[in-house]
Amino acid sequence: EDKVVQSPLSLVVHEGDTVTLNCSYEVTNFRSLLWYKQEKKAPTFLFMLTSSGIEKKSGRLSSILDKKELFSILNITATQTGDSAVYLCAVLQGGSEKLVFGKGTKLTVNP
Amino acid sequence: KAGVTQTPRYLIKTRGQQVTLSCSPISGHRSVSWYQQTPGQGLQFLFEYFSETQRNKGNFPGRFSGRQFSNSRSEMNVSTLELGDSALYLCASSSYRDRGPYEQYFGPGTRLTVT
Repeated sequence: EDKVVQSPLSLVVHEGDTVTLNCSYEVTNFRSLLWYKQEKKAPTFLFMLTSSGIEKKSGRLSSILDKKELFSILNITATQTGDSAVYLCAVLQGGSEKLVFGKGTKLTVNP
Repeated sequence: KAGVTQTPRYLIKTRGQQVTLSCSPISGHRSVSWYQQTPGQGLQFLFEYFSETQRNKGNFPGRFSGRQFSNSRSEMNVSTLELGDSALYLCASSSYRDRGPYEQYFGPGTRLTVT
């Protein structure tokens, strides 16, 4: 059965901390891995990763994929209260538009 | 460019009724996927449409169906509603390329409550 597992399930940090969110997967016909941020609305696209070892960066967020070990990490440096959200990891399966989602990591950043 | 739009945003129905939700993808996007999000199960894939054809379907009963029109707009229908169908229904659109994966962008969702 295809599955995406995220850890930790929840995380509470203080502003300024750096956090690392983990995503491991066992999905047939892997095409790419996507990260989304979800506040009280629809998931917002962050990154799409297709190749191992190539870091993607956007401001304080960065992510990398390891296709050999089947995992990805999402780093957030100098966290801010606005980073509080659920971060979702999903794997896109080839041959379809199907995204297999993990349950998400709920990040709370306290001032 | 306008984002993915979904209507209605909120809906309250009673058990046994049916419901139709609508999704308009980003202009130029031809693929539309539907997902159900619940606290217990998270985000689960319902189905995906491309060029008016259903290309893939998730593990949901036949009460869940959908279609896509020639302008890429999509509708999903749930018949004989059950309490467990209460969820946030999300639509995602993506562009189509022959090679390589492509991002999916989500709409704001329709919050369905079944009483």
